[in-house]
Order: sequence, then C-alpha cells, then structure tokens
Amino acid sequence: QVQLVQSGAEVKKPGASVRISCKASGYSFVTFDITWVRQVPGQGLEWMGWISAESGYTASPQKFQGRVTMTTDSPRSITYMELRGLRSDDAAIYYCARTQGLNFFDPWGQGTRVTVSS
Amino acid sequence: QSALTQPASVSESPGQSITISCTGSSSDVGGHNSVSWYQQHPGKAPKVILYDVHNRPSGVSNRFSGSKSGNTASLTISGLQADDEADYYCSSHMNSRTVHFGGGTKLTVL
Repeated sequence: QVQLVQSGAEVKKPGASVRISCKASGYSFVTFDITWVRQVPGQGLEWMGWISAESGYTASPQKFQGRVTMTTDSPRSITYMELRGLRSDDAAIYYCARTQGLNFFDPWGQGTRVTVSS
Repeated sequence: QSALTQPASVSESPGQSITISCTGSSSDVGGHNSVSWYQQHPGKAPKVILYDVHNRPSGVSNRFSGSKSGNTASLTISGLQADDEADYYCSSHMNSRTVHFGGGTKLTVL
C-alpha cells in the first residue's frame, strides 16, 4: 500500500539544523509531489512547502524562505526537508504528505517530533 | 493567526448532523475549487476526508460531505458517531501553489 515513513525524533540546540527524511513506497515516486506541514503540539497545521519529485522544483512560504531546503533522492524514493537556524518556536511535529493536484494530501507520514532545547 | 477561519470548537450529540465552516477570501477559498478537509485524532497524523470541495477519497464514509459558497467552505458530518470526535482542518490552494490551512475545529460528540 502507499506509505510514507519518516525518520525518528530529533533533539537539537537553538541555531542548529535538522534534516528529516520521508521514504515513500507503494507508488511511482516521481509521479507525485511531496508537501511538508508542521504542527506545534496543541496547535494547528502550518504549510511549509512542497517539492516536485519529478523535477526537484520547490516552493515555500516567505516565512521559511532561506531557512528550509527540500530535496529528493529519487532512486531511493526519499524526500528530505532541512530546517536551519532552529529556534524554540520551531519545536513541532513535522509531517510529509504525498500531494495530488493542488491541495490533496494523502497519505501522510507518521510525523517526526523535533525538540529545540539548549 | 491562520489565513482561513474556522470555529474553535463545535459539539453535537450522536446521530445528529453538524456543519463546520471555513472562511477565507477571494484569493483562496472563493477563488479556487481546491478546498480540502482533514480529520486528525489525538496523537495521529491528519487524514484527508474531502478534496476539491466535495470529493471523498476512497474509503471515506458518505456521512462526510462538503460544499462552498463564496469565500466560505463547509464540512457537514451526518449521523455523528463517537469516532468522529477529532480535530478538523480545512485547507485551500491559493495562487502559485501556496496552501492555507484553517486554525482547526475540535469536534466533541456529546
């Protein structure tokens, strides 16, 4: 079945970077984009951007531009999201999701918790 | 502050119906038919229940339905069940492949 499996929880110091992986299985990887979404525990969902698995083209909101990098390793069906310059308010659960059309995210990965603490 | 406005919480009794609204602008909800709804149970990843305003993915109950009028999209859940108790988020495509999420609505089934 279609599945996205993310890397494990991370604990980082302020100012550090974190790279999260998202491994896809059960479908042709290059056929769908991957979207990244984060959620501060107890709060809502925040769109972080997407990457075309076919071309590597990315888009993200201005809030994250310059701090986030999304890449793919197509032979291994893996997408990566790196967030630099971590701050305390970056502590959240980060999700990847297969993207169909403009705004149809299915399925989602299980989430990766990132803790930012000195 | 989220770009799309949802009620923070709603509640209803089992077997009843409830509607959750999602209000945006002409740049997102009102300008596109690309509105999706996601259900999230505590500790779980979100799950899509509607896309393109009213389409249900395979496996999603027909108790979930969607509509849109102007800048407001709506999710209706009929025949409420205990397992429907969850957080619900709307999302809308905006221009240039940007996506906005609503702030989420906590549904309590009394």
